[in-house]
Amino acid sequence: QSVLTQPPSVSGAPGQRITISCTGSSSNIGAGYDVHWYEQLPGTAPKLLIYENSNRPSGVPDRFSGSKSGTSASLAITGLQAEDEGDYYCQSYDSSLSNWVFGGGTKLTVL
Amino acid sequence: QVQLVESGGGVVQPGGSLRLSCAASGFTFSGYGMHWVRQAPGKGLEWVALIRYNGNDKYYADSVKGRFTISRDNSKNTLYLQINSLRGEDTAVYYCATGKKSGDNSHYFEFWGLGTLVTVSS
Repeated sequence: QSVLTQPPSVSGAPGQRITISCTGSSSNIGAGYDVHWYEQLPGTAPKLLIYENSNRPSGVPDRFSGSKSGTSASLAITGLQAEDEGDYYCQSYDSSLSNWVFGGGTKLTVL
Repeated sequence: QVQLVESGGGVVQPGGSLRLSCAASGFTFSGYGMHWVRQAPGKGLEWVALIRYNGNDKYYADSVKGRFTISRDNSKNTLYLQINSLRGEDTAVYYCATGKKSGDNSHYFEFWGLGTLVTVSS
């Protein structure tokens, strides 16, 4: 059971917009800790996608965006492309556990 | 460009030991905290350990505390993870990652290596 809760799967057609939620608690996201997102394409290592809730590293298309409110955060992907298929993870810090924590991951399928 | 290359994985019997290495290049290694993150087959990501930039402070997940030891050699730009008393649940790909300080004074994982697979099996 992950400290941060994500839906196991989401899907969308090419060109559509999808969102992935990440729900935490008062000891992590709700305590003000930033949320970061990682993309893991099949057979590859994770890659930083969004940092500090809503910032994109250099090279990440503006189709990807992040937001945070209260004890939750969201990743939005617009203009879905086939190459976006993979797993997406949110990450934060938990002050009760004194650990860096991840969501369980969301598998994105492009129909 | 930043490169992180893990090595040292393999098949080990329960109760055995391994030392993983992560060779870093393309950035000032001695200026960054470094993490190990693992991923069991078909499962999600799990943070394992952090070592601060100067090696003075180390932090571990409860699941590995007392069995794993993180260390670094800044003169060799290399991060290590000594893993002892291995259990089946330690079977995973182990990634090293750079720890970038975020606005909340925590870290996010800016760059990742390709990982090294540790399989615990008799």
